[in-house]
Amino acid sequence: QQPVQSPQAVILREGEDAVINCSSSKALYSVHWYRQKHGEAPVFLMILLKGGEQKGHEKISASFNEKKQQSSLYLTASQLSYSGTYFCGSRLKGSGGGADGLTFGKGTHLIIQP
Amino acid sequence: EAQVTQNPRYLITVTGKKLTVTCSQNMNHEYMSWYRQDPGLGLRQIYYSMNVEVTDKGDVPEGYKVSRKEKRNFPLILESPSPNQTSLYFCASSFRAQLSDEQFFGPGTRLTVL
Repeated sequence: QQPVQSPQAVILREGEDAVINCSSSKALYSVHWYRQKHGEAPVFLMILLKGGEQKGHEKISASFNEKKQQSSLYLTASQLSYSGTYFCGSRLKGSGGGADGLTFGKGTHLIIQP
Repeated sequence: EAQVTQNPRYLITVTGKKLTVTCSQNMNHEYMSWYRQDPGLGLRQIYYSMNVEVTDKGDVPEGYKVSRKEKRNFPLILESPSPNQTSLYFCASSFRAQLSDEQFFGPGTRLTVL
């Protein structure tokens, strides 16, 4: 039931672009993206909802294809500070009143080299 | 400062010795959750709580208990810890359980069961 992330790891030079993908075999109601630096807690990046609504950091962009049950996170002109592990989380159920648990993928390790 | 706190941050114990990891948030959040993080497996949800006295199982609840008697606290209880519960544990909270609510994570508790 975990969403599947790809790639598992990517190494970039500073200034290059990266795309991290997240897909689910079940219908998605929302997709969450978090970044975790080594030894620290995950930090919120973005939430994407069905219908196109988004909430998150201005400098990060992402897409959510409801029909394909996929989301992608776009990191452009990468900086050294972008290094870390990126997790997508999916909420599979939901209604106007709320949602249940958040299920995370296994993560994508991003290394930015100078 | 708005935050989620966990105690202890590090714990080494022996098999079978009951332990409790505390989690507290000062943001008046309704939704709280526990995750464990293991190498290669990402973040997996153990239990979550939609509000006081309302808890539900996540993806990996076996061997754990929780309670939500007060809105701010959500302790994780291991009645009889085993070595396979050695892991990094994160508590998280969000304003409600809405699809658009971001989660705030605590600093983590590294547990070793010998």
